[in-house]
Amino acid sequence: EIVMTQSPATLSVSPGERATLSCRASQSVNSNLAWYQQKPGQAPRLLIYGASTRATGLPARFSGSGSGTDFTLSISSLQSEDFAVYYCQQYNGWPSLTFGGGTKVESK
Amino acid sequence: QVQLQESGPGLVKPSQTLSLTCTVSGVSINTGGYYWSWIRQLPGKGLEWIGSIYYTGSTYYNPSLKSRLSISVDTSKNQFSLKLSSVTAADTAVHYCAAGIWGGVRPVVPNWFALWGQGTLVTVSS
Repeated sequence: EIVMTQSPATLSVSPGERATLSCRASQSVNSNLAWYQQKPGQAPRLLIYGASTRATGLPARFSGSGSGTDFTLSISSLQSEDFAVYYCQQYNGWPSLTFGGGTKVESK
Repeated sequence: QVQLQESGPGLVKPSQTLSLTCTVSGVSINTGGYYWSWIRQLPGKGLEWIGSIYYTGSTYYNPSLKSRLSISVDTSKNQFSLKLSSVTAADTAVHYCAAGIWGGVRPVVPNWFALWGQGTLVTVSS
């Protein structure tokens, strides 16, 4: 099973600043990676798939990059509604789809 | 728009079977294109894919849960269901139903999850 490791566990950022979240796979997943955002009491929301393709309606301040084992989710100018937990998920290692442990983005 | 809603008991006794149903609205399960899925979130922890089903009845299970797992679809009711047997406290989690998408990565199986239900907490306790 491919293990996904996210860092840092918590990221403190001021509104308007840039946030950079990392996700590392235990083996190559090519570009087969998705990112989700989860707010308290809500279901996760798909943000990115194919490592860099934004889901429909996602603001351009969100961007994904990377391939192989190292991936990044960037939020260029953090808005108040962006404070949440973010998860990565790989879909290269069938028969298992695995998620990272999450990064909480909190207000500094 | 497409919506998913989980339903089922919130409390299950150890060794019994956890049963949940997801009702889909806004699209017919028969339409194809979606892999109807279950994902759980253990308390204070991350997400775990449980399994998925296509409208044809083809199933895709997490190997770690496969021996206890059954997912079925009822196209007449536009619902799909989860049964997890022999549960323990370790199965306590918020359970989400979701619509998975195949994005072109072989094999043809769910890749990512585009739509999610609100989730329902199932507690395993005597």
